[in-house]
Amino acid sequence: SAVISQKPSRDICQRGTSLTIQCQVDSQVTMMFWYRQQPGQSLTLIATANQGSEATYESGFVIDKFPISRPNLTFSTLTVSNMSPEDSSIYLCSSKADSLNTEAFFGQGTRLTVV
Amino acid sequence: GQQVMQIPQYQHVQEGEDFTTYCNSSTTLSNIQWYKQRPGGHPVFLIQLVKSGEVKKQKRLTFQFGEAKKNSSLHITATQTTDVGTYFCAGRGRGSTLGRLYFGRGTQLTVWP
Repeated sequence: SAVISQKPSRDICQRGTSLTIQCQVDSQVTMMFWYRQQPGQSLTLIATANQGSEATYESGFVIDKFPISRPNLTFSTLTVSNMSPEDSSIYLCSSKADSLNTEAFFGQGTRLTVV
Repeated sequence: GQQVMQIPQYQHVQEGEDFTTYCNSSTTLSNIQWYKQRPGGHPVFLIQLVKSGEVKKQKRLTFQFGEAKKNSSLHITATQTTDVGTYFCAGRGRGSTLGRLYFGRGTQLTVWP
């Protein structure tokens, strides 16, 4: 399976600031996904980012708060904008090979604390 | 919208006991996948089930996919301390939702030595 390098692995940020999380995949993939995971909770999909098109956001998530870039088939960024303590969470990027029945693979996650 | 329900949320067992987690989808799935997340880690793929009624085994782990492709289970025989972690099922949608995964809330397994 492919490998995703995600950074930063963790950060402590002041409220009102923004943090950009990067994910680099070691192979070309069409679909990338961004999740949020509260401690001890499941994965909540924020958005799906396909190269060459606007990201598709899930209910409760908006582009102004979580802008996403997908400049090519191996890279994506998620920005958490104007952060508040409620944004403290683990953020995970994920992807899958382009064929239908393949597994997802995940970046190592970014543990964000907003103070 | 599509939902995948998973129970139990927590399970505490003594080493050597068996463990089972169950998933149920509100709609028919294209396939279902299982992931394990160790404390502090990220989800790691375990297995995928595609066919109706499919059963797969990985050493002490047995995975089942229901006949209607709406439910699944993971059973661990004789748990070990290395089994500690959270187990997630993830159903892949059909039709317009093909491609995205719907994760259950996970079952957090604790194994006492």
